[in-house]
Amino acid sequence: GAVVSQHPSRVICKSGTSVKIECRSLDFQATTMFWYRQFPKKSLMLMATSNEGSKATYEQGVEKDKFLINHASLTLSTLTVTSAHPEDSSFYICSALGLAGAYEQYFGPGTRLTVT
Amino acid sequence: AQSVAQPEDQVNVAEGNPLTVKCTYSVSGNPYLFWYVQYPNRGLQFLLKYITGDNLVKGSYGFEAEFNKSQTSFHLKKPSALVSDSALYFCAVRDKGGAGSYQLTFGKGTKLSVIP
Repeated sequence: GAVVSQHPSRVICKSGTSVKIECRSLDFQATTMFWYRQFPKKSLMLMATSNEGSKATYEQGVEKDKFLINHASLTLSTLTVTSAHPEDSSFYICSALGLAGAYEQYFGPGTRLTVT
Repeated sequence: AQSVAQPEDQVNVAEGNPLTVKCTYSVSGNPYLFWYVQYPNRGLQFLLKYITGDNLVKGSYGFEAEFNKSQTSFHLKKPSALVSDSALYFCAVRDKGGAGSYQLTFGKGTKLSVIP
């Protein structure tokens, strides 16, 4: 099956610094990737949709200047949390769609971000 | 807009007993429905989907779901629960997002606990 990886799995950073999270599709090309945020015991909140070679589309209420998304290739999307604050601490999950029009999203294992 | 409701925050079932995790949906047009499972501190794993065809859909790990158009439901079922089935379960519907690509709208999740 399709495999999506995320790196790092856990990261602790100090307030005010920036953190980059990578999402890779390992055995398929992903034209579209998604970034979600999940709060404890809560559902997934879609942050943005990332299409290869174009700007990401952010959901309402998500600050594009704070959460920078780059989808530079068909196998890699990155999420950079800039000037992180403790309230940015969360579980971030990416997913990928394979072929255009594909039905299933394949999810990465998630990244636990803790901002101190 | 599409929406998904999971009316139960938690479901408890004894090992060996049948389990049901409920999901109802609201969509315009044909529904494309999914079930995902999430283990602690992990990403989501795809279980099964309904796109078209038979109302009873069989998926991974012995799970199945029944699509009921008149009741707008897509309940997840398993004939005999295992302790290892204990996890968080998400129902989702495919939605068309602002980026023009198909994104998932998730229910709030149901925590399943299988008691030995």
